[in-house]
Amino acid sequence: DGGITQSPKYLFRKEGQNVTLSCEQNLNHDAMYWYRQDPGQGLRLIYYSQIVNDFQKGDIAEGYSVSREKKESFPLTVTSAQKNPTAFYLCASRFATGQGADGTEAFFGQGTRLTVV
Amino acid sequence: RKEVEQDPGPFNVPEGATVAFNCTYSNSASQSFFWYRQDCRKEPKLLMSVYSSGNEDGRFTAQLNRASQYISLLIRDSKLSDSATYLCVVNRRNFNKFYFGSGTKLNVKP
Repeated sequence: DGGITQSPKYLFRKEGQNVTLSCEQNLNHDAMYWYRQDPGQGLRLIYYSQIVNDFQKGDIAEGYSVSREKKESFPLTVTSAQKNPTAFYLCASRFATGQGADGTEAFFGQGTRLTVV
Repeated sequence: RKEVEQDPGPFNVPEGATVAFNCTYSNSASQSFFWYRQDCRKEPKLLMSVYSSGNEDGRFTAQLNRASQYISLLIRDSKLSDSATYLCVVNRRNFNKFYFGSGTKLNVKP
């Protein structure tokens, strides 16, 4: 079955630690996204990538880093510079616009709940 | 001004009621529009795309008003299982960023 998978589902981080959240998709999507959601809030864009080896900052990129070495994978690292990392992190993917697929929807992984302990 | 704005609700309605949500967007270059549903502590899932001519899927109807820059979602004959947060999403042509509203919470009560 095609889909987008995030792991782990729950993650606990000690203050000062870096942690990496995994996101893998087998939908052959070019564009991938990381969002953060805080309780009762909407989704805020952290980083996105349209093609391999390229990515752009979203609205709240400070304290985060990403890589896109493979089409299928877009891991997110939450660094110690992120002062308030406790949140629900969502990864999404879709066909990139301009590839004959304008307007296609994004598919989401099941999310990772990160808690600082 | 936010790219996408929604009334956060909650909308508390009885089973069988008809309920409507609106969502406004600020950029007239917005090209693609969607409604997503998000259950508590889960990921958003696509409910329906919104087409210029409007579209219907069972009890759900979506409309787009480009002149006034808003989209709407109408739910008829509400079910308990419709209780969720409904997210409005817009995307501009040739621009790969999605813009999410903060969501409208719906509670359908027996």
